[in-house]
Amino acid sequence: GAGVSQSPRYKVTKRGQDVALRCDPISGHVSLYWYRQALGQGPEFLTYFNYEAQQDKSGLPNDRFSAERPEGSISTLTIQRTEQRDSAMYRCASSSPGQPQHFGDGTRLSIL
Amino acid sequence: EDQVTQSPEALRLQEGESSSLNCSYTVSGLRGLFWYRQDPGKGPEFLFTLYSAGEEKEKERLKATLTKKESFLHITAPKPEDSATYLCAVQASGGATNKLIFGTGTLLAVQP
Repeated sequence: GAGVSQSPRYKVTKRGQDVALRCDPISGHVSLYWYRQALGQGPEFLTYFNYEAQQDKSGLPNDRFSAERPEGSISTLTIQRTEQRDSAMYRCASSSPGQPQHFGDGTRLSIL
Repeated sequence: EDQVTQSPEALRLQEGESSSLNCSYTVSGLRGLFWYRQDPGKGPEFLFTLYSAGEEKEKERLKATLTKKESFLHITAPKPEDSATYLCAVQASGGATNKLIFGTGTLLAVQP
């Protein structure tokens, strides 16, 4: 597709379950970013990759959060043992070197 | 600590009534300042990148300017379709990270 694609668009799960969120970046984009956005706030950085290498994971809130991009294209953000405070919009962005980041429409995660 | 503050939080304009949105930032070293537009239910859409004080960029009714401490997004003769949340973000120089640090946005409503 032409833009960043994220799936699922909505995810509702019970507290304690693991969830996996998927991001398919714009074709050819080297860098991939994960952000979390609360209602009425700007996106908050979680982690980012160049190709398959995770360059910065300083924004991951705790060790229940992890991300991978094994082949340098599609990425998965995994949250283990979900808690209600994990409920948010999770956004993915991608970019080419020296170019701005382009965002997907996000996955709305709700933890019951 | 790198930080972005946007004002006002919300702005209501009549169609044709020009105004400006403010983005104040503190960053150890500025690699770039970015403006995005976000419509409800969508991801942020890239508008402009500014790199150095004195730089200006224009697109249709929007003009972005940059000083050493702040950026302005000037909206000339706005139309209802300009209604959206406008987000400002900075990217710091130095280190290996390309993360964006966002402000909380300005919600603009343009009434016909």
